[in-house]
Amino acid sequence: KQEVTQIPAALSVPEGENLVLNCSFTDSAIYNLQWFRQDPGKGLTSLLLIQSSQREQTSGRLNASLDKSSGRSTLYIAASQPGDSATYLCATNMDSNYQLIWGAGTKLIIKP
Amino acid sequence: DTGVSQDPRHKITKRGQNVTFRCDPISEHNRLYWYRQTLGQGPEFLTYFQNEAQLEKSRLLSDRFSAERPKGSFSTLEIQRTEQGDSAMYLCASSLSGGIGPQHFGDGTRLSIL
Repeated sequence: KQEVTQIPAALSVPEGENLVLNCSFTDSAIYNLQWFRQDPGKGLTSLLLIQSSQREQTSGRLNASLDKSSGRSTLYIAASQPGDSATYLCATNMDSNYQLIWGAGTKLIIKP
Repeated sequence: DTGVSQDPRHKITKRGQNVTFRCDPISEHNRLYWYRQTLGQGPEFLTYFQNEAQLEKSRLLSDRFSAERPKGSFSTLEIQRTEQGDSAMYLCASSLSGGIGPQHFGDGTRLSIL
C-alpha cells in the first residue's frame, strides 16, 4: 500500500530565500506525482504534475523533481515571497484510473 | 472555463440529519472525484466517476454515504444520519480521462456536525 510522507510538517523562512519541500513515497511504481497548494479554508490548486517518465517540471519560480528509484520528489521555490505562504501537498497516482494518494502537507510561512 | 464549483461552501447541521452537497466539474472533464479532508491531513479518496458510472468506492464510504452523477455532468454526495465524525471538508475534483492531466479541485464544502 502506497504511503506518502512530507517532512517537515511546517517551515518558516525569511522572504527572498530559496527553499526545498520534500515528498517521499514507499511504492515507486507510480503513474504520476502532483504538487498542490492549499490556502486556509480553500480547495487545492494544482502546481505541477510530473509523469513517471519525467524527471522534472518547471513553472515560473517553481521546479519539481522526481526520483522514482529513491521514492522522492522535491518542490523547489525560488526567491520566496509572502504570497507563497500556504500548505503544499504532494500526491501520487498509481494508475491512470486511480485516485490520488496524499501526503499530509508542509505548512510554509514566508516572513516579510 | 469557470473551474470546479461546489455548493454550499459551509454546512452546519445537527447530528442525525441528512445533508447533500453538489459539485459542478469543468465542463469537458469526464472524470469526477470526491475526497474528504480533516484538519492537518491530506485528502482521503471517497469515490470517483467516469461520466455517469461510479467506478471506485473507498471503504471510507459507508452505507450512509451515496454519490451520484446522473447525466455525467454535476454530482451530488449525500450523507444520511450524520455523525460527529463526518465533520470535515468535502472536496470535489475533475479531470480528463487517462490520468495525463492534473485533477482540478473546487473550494470544498465544510461540514460541521453539532
